[in-house]
Amino acid sequence: EAGVTQSPTHLIKTRGQQVTLRCSPISGHTSVYWYQQALGLGLQFLLWYDEGEERNRGNFPPRFSGRQFPNYSSELNVNALELEDSALYLCASSLGRRDDEQFFGPGTRLTVL
Amino acid sequence: AQKITQTQPGMFVQEKEAVTLDCTYDTSDPSYGLFWYKQPSSGEMIFLIYQGSYDQQNATEGRYSLNFQKARKSANLVISASQLGDSAMYFCAMRELSSQGGSEKLVFGKGTKLTVNP
Repeated sequence: EAGVTQSPTHLIKTRGQQVTLRCSPISGHTSVYWYQQALGLGLQFLLWYDEGEERNRGNFPPRFSGRQFPNYSSELNVNALELEDSALYLCASSLGRRDDEQFFGPGTRLTVL
Repeated sequence: AQKITQTQPGMFVQEKEAVTLDCTYDTSDPSYGLFWYKQPSSGEMIFLIYQGSYDQQNATEGRYSLNFQKARKSANLVISASQLGDSAMYFCAMRELSSQGGSEKLVFGKGTKLTVNP
């Protein structure tokens, strides 16, 4: 069974540009989570999607947004990129039930110059 | 708000020895779940072990065991018979539940970098 997949693996952008990251969950998983792992800051929760709806978002500005498609894949969009957006962006999926673990993808490493 | 504390930025262990990675947590929720993840240099987060707050026994998964002390709010990860491939970052995390009861998000500690020496 395929795990969580993310694309692209690496990305280099300049300040002010926009970027879209993609995530495909494990088959059968309806919940998708996005996390940002910036250097020295640990993993920070960004967004949670379940059944196509945004259920919650972390303490990030509105230029971080996303959506979940009917097949449960998800996109994370970041507008007006800033240098501090450079980070590893991790996507995770789960069945969404209370005791389910989250399975993570390999991440997308974004560098903003 | 929930909080996870990992006080060991780095740990060293000899191959084949056991090592304990510390994790303390703070929550007012009576029901919670604790997770440990391993993150090699490649970046992917690998799920290791889970402990529910109402579980009577400490969780074990192969060489990984969780020393769960509820009164002390600690959930330390024990790795037995360390291997060179265990060298990685290790994160303790707590699950926050949504108001609807589903798994909402994980709150992570800052991690411990484990180095296994030959």
